[in-house]
Amino acid sequence: DIVLTQSPDSLAVSLGERATINCKSSQRILYTSNNKNYLAWYQQKPGQPPKLLISWASTRESGVPDRFSGSGSGTDFTLTISSLQAEDVAVYYCQQYYSTPYTFGQGTKLEIK
Amino acid sequence: QVQLVESGGGVVQTGRSLRLSCAASGFTFSSFAMHWVRQAPGKGLEWMATISSDGSNKYYEDSVKGRFTISRDNSKNTLYLQMNSLRADDTAVYYCAKVPYSNSWLYAEYFHHWGQGTLVTVSS
Repeated sequence: DIVLTQSPDSLAVSLGERATINCKSSQRILYTSNNKNYLAWYQQKPGQPPKLLISWASTRESGVPDRFSGSGSGTDFTLTISSLQAEDVAVYYCQQYYSTPYTFGQGTKLEIK
Repeated sequence: QVQLVESGGGVVQTGRSLRLSCAASGFTFSSFAMHWVRQAPGKGLEWMATISSDGSNKYYEDSVKGRFTISRDNSKNTLYLQMNSLRADDTAVYYCAKVPYSNSWLYAEYFHHWGQGTLVTVSS
C-alpha cells in the first residue's frame, strides 16, 4: 500500500501569511505514460464532508480561491495557501489515486495564530 | 446540481449487519464509478470500496474485504454498502463519493462530490 505522510500534523499561521503543508508518498505516484501525478488535496471543516481543492497535484478545482495552489511531483507534494484567511481554518488531507487501496495522509490541522 | 444523500446508519451490536444507501441525483448515475469512504470519530479519512459504473468491477480495502459488499442499482440511482460482522473499529461516518469523469474506471479516482455522511456506531 502507498503510505502518505503529511507534515506538519498541525500548523498555526497568522492571517495574511503563507501556509505550507507537505505530503510525502512512500512511492512515486507519477504515471510516466501521461506525466500526471495522481494526487489530490481536500479541505475539511468541522461537521462537513471533505471538499476537493486540487487534483493531479496542481490543478485547482473550479471555484477554489487562487490563494490555494498545489505543487510537487513524484513523491513530494505541497499545498500552499498564499495569504491565510479566517475561513481557511480546517483540516487538510492529501490522497493518492495512483493505485488501490486509495490512501489519504493523516491530515494537517490549520489554525490561526 | 449533484446530490448524494446517505442513509441507513445507526447503532448496531458487534457482529451484526447494516446496509447503507446513497441516493444520487443531479447527474447520470449509471455513468460514474462510485466510492465509499469512512472517517472514525476524530480521525482521518479511510477509503473503503469502489464500484464501476455498471457494477461489474469492485475493489475493497483489506480490512473490510469479505465483510463489506458494495453494490449499486442504476435503475434507482442508488449505491449500497452491505456491512456484515461489524466490529467496534467500524464505528465511523460513512460517506459516498463520486468521481469526476464519466465512463472511466481506475483512472481518476479522486472525489469530486461527497455526501454529508451517515454515522455507524458499533457497540457491544
